[in-house]
Amino acid sequence: QVQVVQSGAEVKKPGASVKVSCKVGGNTFRGQHIHWVRQAPGQGLEWIGWINLTGGTIYAQKFLGWVTMTRDTSTNTAYLDLSRLTSDDTAVYYCATDGGRLHAFEVWGQGTTITVSS
Amino acid sequence: DIQLTQSPSSLSASVGDSVTITCRASQNMRTYLNWYQVKPGKVPKLLIYDASSLQSGVPSRFSGSGSGTNFALTITSLQPEDSATYFCQQSYSTPHTFGQGTNLEIK
Repeated sequence: QVQVVQSGAEVKKPGASVKVSCKVGGNTFRGQHIHWVRQAPGQGLEWIGWINLTGGTIYAQKFLGWVTMTRDTSTNTAYLDLSRLTSDDTAVYYCATDGGRLHAFEVWGQGTTITVSS
Repeated sequence: DIQLTQSPSSLSASVGDSVTITCRASQNMRTYLNWYQVKPGKVPKLLIYDASSLQSGVPSRFSGSGSGTNFALTITSLQPEDSATYFCQQSYSTPHTFGQGTNLEIK
C-alpha cells in the first residue's frame, strides 16, 4: 500500500503562515490527485480542496485567497500553504491520495496538527 | 454545494448487533458516495466507495447501499473495534462535502 507521510506539528501565532508537506512513497505520486482535509477539535471532517495530476487546483469557497496547494514531482511531495492564520484554523490537517479510479480518499497521511495561539 | 445529512448523530449498540447509518444528500449524486471510519488519534480509513464497493482489506461485515439521494452504511456482527465515528462524503461535485458524522459506541 502507498505510504503517505506528512510534516510535523506546528504552533503559530495569529496572522502567521504555515506550510504542510505530504510525501507519497513509491512511484505512484504522478498518478495521484491529492486532497486536503482538516478536522478541528471536536468537529467533523472538512474538505479544503485538491490538486490534480497536472497541478490544477480547486479550493472550497471559504479557503479561497488564503490557501495554496502545490506539488513537486521531483520529490513526490504535495504542499498546503495556509496564510493569515486565526485560532479557527487550529486543527489536524490531512492529505489523502485519490488515484482517480475510486473517486474517494484512498490513503491518508498521519495528519499534521496546526495550533494557532497568541 | 451538496449538503449531506447523516442520522443518527450517535448510537449505542452491543457486540454482535447490527446497525445502519443513513446519509441523505441535497441533490442526486448517482453513486458518488463514500464512507470513512475515524477513531480518536487515528488516520481516517476508507470503508466503502462508490456507495456499495468494499475497500480492499475492510471486513465484509461492512456494507453500503443506495443511490441518488439516499444512502446507508450497515455494520453487522458488531465488534468492539467498530467503536468510531463514521462519515459519509460525496465525490460527485466540488466541494467534496462530508456528512456531520455518526458516533458509534459499542456497549
